[in-house]
Amino acid sequence: DQQVKQNSPSLSVQEGRISILNCDYTNSMFDYFLWYKKYPAEGPTFLISISSIKDKNEDGRFTVFLNKSAKHLSLHIVPSQPGDSAVYFCAASAQGNKLVFGAGTILRVKS
Amino acid sequence: DVKVTQSSRYLVKRTGEKVFLECVQDMDHENMFWYRQDPGLGLRLIYFSYDVKMKEKGDIPEGYSVSREKKERFSLILESASTNQTSMYLCASSLGVIGNEKLFFGSGTQLSVL
Repeated sequence: DQQVKQNSPSLSVQEGRISILNCDYTNSMFDYFLWYKKYPAEGPTFLISISSIKDKNEDGRFTVFLNKSAKHLSLHIVPSQPGDSAVYFCAASAQGNKLVFGAGTILRVKS
Repeated sequence: DVKVTQSSRYLVKRTGEKVFLECVQDMDHENMFWYRQDPGLGLRLIYFSYDVKMKEKGDIPEGYSVSREKKERFSLILESASTNQTSMYLCASSLGVIGNEKLFFGSGTQLSVL
């Protein structure tokens, strides 16, 4: 029973355009959401997070949107760069409990 | 700078062997975690620990055990390795502050069980 779902295994985007990565969740108790980026042969690194009391959080080229009614969040990368090519994991936690991760989306940014 | 160090980058073991994966963090974090990453399945939690000598099962603990004798060190043990335990193993740590569950990961250990 996957509580966090990333339904797109991969995404290909042209350099300079917007990348949109999506994530759906089923547990209404989740109150904190994070995105991690993972390069090959490296561990995941924290990218951006959002609390359930917000609907948007921005950090430079990265913006995360949260739609609680739809139990959906998305990560927008604008403009996309070749160095953004990586696997992106969505994760969620409920009241400080352990993180639950999605299956990941492979982003390829073509130059 | 924050650092989580996993002792081996690659390991090849035989079926039935006992395998130890070691992880050390230098951030004085209370929480430590072991995940495995498999294609199409993402990161799945094996075990975690909120304090020294404390451990709790994650989502897939079968076939694994852990040890946390010191705050900075968290070991994952495969009592009798099997081929279905071939995977990328990732150790992580966190401060354990509610509302800031940011994990810091090591580089991973790619384990192959033949």
